[in-house]
Amino acid sequence: EAQVTQNPRYLITVTGKKLTVTCSQNMNHEYMSWYRQDPGLGLRQIYYSMNVEVTDKGDVPEGYKVSRKEKRNFPLILESPSPNQTSLYFCASSSSPGGGGTEAFFGQGTRLTVV
Amino acid sequence: RKEVEQDPGPFNVPEGATVAFNCTYSNSASQSFFWYRQDCRKEPKLLMSVYSSGNEDGRFTAQLNRASQYISLLIRDSKLSDSATYLCVVTPPPYIPTFGRGTSLIVHP
Repeated sequence: EAQVTQNPRYLITVTGKKLTVTCSQNMNHEYMSWYRQDPGLGLRQIYYSMNVEVTDKGDVPEGYKVSRKEKRNFPLILESPSPNQTSLYFCASSSSPGGGGTEAFFGQGTRLTVV
Repeated sequence: RKEVEQDPGPFNVPEGATVAFNCTYSNSASQSFFWYRQDCRKEPKLLMSVYSSGNEDGRFTAQLNRASQYISLLIRDSKLSDSATYLCVVTPPPYIPTFGRGTSLIVHP
């Protein structure tokens, strides 16, 4: 089954404790992306990757890091989480190089709370 | 000016009603256009692509107006199960998908 898998689905952590949210897709997609979703603000892009070892900042990259060492995986790293990073996070992938020409498939989301 | 703008709603309509949403975009060089549906706290899922000639999928019709830079979604004979948030997606150069904030639809009995 074609899917994007995020883990964990729910996470409560403390300020400053490094964490990683994993994202994996089994569709051989080149384009992957991370979004955060907050009430009233919609989906905001954090980082995206057009291919292995190619990543770029989205609209709200501060406080986040990503890596793309393999085509299928695109982890999101919070080196020192802060309460303003409490949010619902989605990973997405798409087959088109820029991500915009074809359907985006989303993971089920990770609800992160930083206390 | 935001790249993609949508009326957040909520649109509150009775079952059986016809409802329409618009989405405007600022970059005339935008190419692909889509409507996604998102249920509460779940991941967005593609509802339909939007083509210049217009396209229909059952009760749903999508239109693109390049001259006025907007796309629309028409839902006929609304069902309770249509209650969701509808996200407009546009791809301005460099063709990274850009999401609108979504329009909330509530269909009541």
